[in-house]
Amino acid sequence: NAGVTQTPKFRVLKTGQSMTLLCAQDMNHEYMYWYRQDPGMGLRLIHYSVGEGTTAKGEVPDGYNVSRLKKQNFLLGLESAAPSQTSVYFCASSYPQGAVNQPQHFGDGTRLSIL
Amino acid sequence: RKEVEQDPGPFNVPEGATVAFNCTYSNSASQSFFWYRQDCRKEPKLLMSVYSSGNEDGRFTAQLNRASQYISLLIRDSKLSDSATYLCVVNVGGFQKLVFGTGTRLLVSP
Repeated sequence: NAGVTQTPKFRVLKTGQSMTLLCAQDMNHEYMYWYRQDPGMGLRLIHYSVGEGTTAKGEVPDGYNVSRLKKQNFLLGLESAAPSQTSVYFCASSYPQGAVNQPQHFGDGTRLSIL
Repeated sequence: RKEVEQDPGPFNVPEGATVAFNCTYSNSASQSFFWYRQDCRKEPKLLMSVYSSGNEDGRFTAQLNRASQYISLLIRDSKLSDSATYLCVVNVGGFQKLVFGTGTRLLVSP
């Protein structure tokens, strides 16, 4: 039972390079999210998706793009990486919010360094 | 004021001790509350949801005080394995916009 799987686990980029982070979930969750976590800041929402083919901006969307072409996958793209994007990135998924108390399930993170 | 605030700690306690963390939230319309646990360099994992009447899961007890807008987590008989950062999480919107606190670090020593 894989749950939420993120690839890659680690990556070092040079400023200006692009890359895509992949998130896959096998729990048939409608909602998916991308967060970044920085020291002293807590988790901050970058983008989210409430279903296949739909995405929306979160708290810190600048410099990132996302796509949800398949229900089980949520991709996060960095078009031109900047040192400020050095962070740990977490993907999460959850059931829809028809009822309250639906927790999010997290992948084990991608550690990204931009030089 | 931050939407969710926690004391960063660390809380240093011996094995077997009882320890409590509080978390305050600013949005009175918040509907869902959770405690997550995060180990060093790992992903957050759901510890427990917090229900209006309070709830218990083994050694862990969560309470919600809507009037004062805080939630609490009580850990009894602390174990070394309880050492982690505990994140207070609040749903502040209809779409489940979760806001995460920055966490309270707990260190349990022998």
